[in-house]
Amino acid sequence: DTEVTQTPKHLVMGMTNKKSLKCEQHMGHRAMYWYKQKAKKPPELMFVYSYEKLSINESVPSRFSPECPNSSLLNLHLHALQPEDSALYLCASSQIQEINTEAFFGQGTRLTVV
Amino acid sequence: GDSVTQMEGPVTLSEEAFLTINCTYTATGYPSLFWYVQYPGEGLQLLLKATKADDKGSNKGFEATYRKETTSFHLEKGSVQVSDSAVYFCALRSIRGNAGKSTFGDGTTLTVKP
Repeated sequence: DTEVTQTPKHLVMGMTNKKSLKCEQHMGHRAMYWYKQKAKKPPELMFVYSYEKLSINESVPSRFSPECPNSSLLNLHLHALQPEDSALYLCASSQIQEINTEAFFGQGTRLTVV
Repeated sequence: GDSVTQMEGPVTLSEEAFLTINCTYTATGYPSLFWYVQYPGEGLQLLLKATKADDKGSNKGFEATYRKETTSFHLEKGSVQVSDSAVYFCALRSIRGNAGKSTFGDGTTLTVKP
């Protein structure tokens, strides 16, 4: 299994809503990532988890709250988002310290904040 | 820090034309280099990779050679098809980055016309 599965594929939420994005992988990867991607732009790193611990937070606003319940799952909790947070949110995983291997990306969640 | 510079797009070609997308990088040490492709509405897929100098990555008719002397990893294809229309990202992974996070270029949009 070489897939990263993200749910939901599409999400529309109001600015007062609370929602969660989910990501799952079964490749035994111990590094997992959240990226935000705007149209026609490269992915921007948000968070990195290494061995289920948060190792990088790229100064992301607190309305985004990541969680890594176990080595296969990664969540992104959303609260009080702004319209400018509308984007494609990508989850990825990779082997830690094995830079010869690629990161595997999910299909993304297309988020629209209204 | 690490960086990747890609040729600016968009690139529009006729079917069966030759494709080159330039990519140069800055990194300390010996990064691994990757080309990812993103089709409309989807996540990123690995196209090819090279992990050491003079390595050639290839897949689906695309090729790129890791040139340490020119710090380049240009993507080429001899005869493009309409189905190759997508956004192409050059990326690197360096051990200096925590958990080997990926650094992306800005992406190049390719449109192939029949």
